[in-house]
Amino acid sequence: ILNVEQSPQSLHVQEGDSTNFTCSFPSSNFYALHWYRWETAKSPEALFVMTLNGDEKKKGRISATLNTKEGYSYLYIKGSQPEDSATYLCAFIYGNKLVFGAGTILRVKS
Amino acid sequence: EAQVTQNPRYLITVTGKKLTVTCSQNMNHEYMSWYRQDPGLGLRQIYYSMNVEVTDKGDVPEGYKVSRKEKRNFPLILESPSPNQTSLYFCASSSLAGASYEQYFGPGTRLTVT
Repeated sequence: ILNVEQSPQSLHVQEGDSTNFTCSFPSSNFYALHWYRWETAKSPEALFVMTLNGDEKKKGRISATLNTKEGYSYLYIKGSQPEDSATYLCAFIYGNKLVFGAGTILRVKS
Repeated sequence: EAQVTQNPRYLITVTGKKLTVTCSQNMNHEYMSWYRQDPGLGLRQIYYSMNVEVTDKGDVPEGYKVSRKEKRNFPLILESPSPNQTSLYFCASSSLAGASYEQYFGPGTRLTVT
């Protein structure tokens, strides 16, 4: 089973702080990487699908970068708000399977 | 409204009593998948289906069965549930073939096996 690691496990920040977290994945046979946001009592929702080395994607205050050669992706949140509190998951696409990391839990205090 | 539905949302059952969790999507998606979520382990893929009558094992298929007789439905079957199958289950679908497309998740089914 492939290993997809996310760090940190959890993060507590103040409103207005910028933050980032990491997803590490095998650097060989790269196909795609997904980022999902999962709020408590809801279902995971896709943030980004990243396929090319050097990809940078942005959605509002959230952005992500991808380095397939070294096997990592960063997710950045600029000016965190309480509504950003959620678990952020990355998923490595391996053939037709998805392998998820354990997630980073973000809590933003107002 | 485009959505993935799952039923039931909550289920408490006893060891050995066969159960089925239904999953249906109305987006004409080809790829469908089941996941289980356990604390500290993230989502783990149980089975996936690339299209009608095409299913394959994910990383944790033991104790589960699936079928894909129609494009919109992908039920998860537990023939003889055991307590270690107590978990939160998600069904998901994505457009076209292949997992490189974003997954749309159902609302989840919380299963407890006593």
